[in-house]
Amino acid sequence: QVQLQEWGAGLLKPSETLSLTCAVYGGSFSGYYWSWIRQPPGKGLEWIGEMNHRGSTNYNPSLKSRVTISVDTSKNQFSLRLKSVTAADTAVYYCARGDVDALGFYVGSGYWGQGALVTVSS
Amino acid sequence: DIQMTQSPSSLSASVGDRVTITCRASQSIRNYLNWYQQKPGKAPKLLIYTTSSLQSGVPSRFSGSGSGTDFTLTISSLQPEDFATYYCQHSYSAPPNFGQGTKLEIK
Repeated sequence: QVQLQEWGAGLLKPSETLSLTCAVYGGSFSGYYWSWIRQPPGKGLEWIGEMNHRGSTNYNPSLKSRVTISVDTSKNQFSLRLKSVTAADTAVYYCARGDVDALGFYVGSGYWGQGALVTVSS
Repeated sequence: DIQMTQSPSSLSASVGDRVTITCRASQSIRNYLNWYQQKPGKAPKLLIYTTSSLQSGVPSRFSGSGSGTDFTLTISSLQPEDFATYYCQHSYSAPPNFGQGTKLEIK
């Protein structure tokens, strides 16, 4: 049974760096998309970025200058760093595993972490 | 970026009703369209991927159709546990944007 679990600091001050890690239990780390998605309180889902099955990263253009996603395959973990946070970055942050079709396209995320609330406040 | 637009934003229905939610992409995404269900305080759950493929364990009352730019999610007979928010997401290219969501409420 595949499980994902996020952890990291839950309260940040403006200008600090958000750092979250997602541990993957019960499955292979290779051959999947590993994504971060966030959801501000009461709002919809925003895709932050991914590391794909080829080892390449892609980021949301609106966050690209501040985001880094990295993977530690030896620990079955992947991480999110978001620099220079503001109150607008307050959200529940989810990690997720995405599947890949025969053509290499991402075809949805069937496994998600439980979500980690990060609040940015002075 | 490919933008996704869902309609309606909210919907009231009764148990047993047939419900359809639509999702439109700003350009063709072939069949790379996924649907998620989210309940309050929970992570989204993948219901349907690549337009019409049912994720394992999802009841058959959920179905999806469409291609190109226009897609639908249909729930054939609403059950009490189906009241939730539904999101579409394309997966044709990065960023795989989500629609704004459709909140399905009990009438």
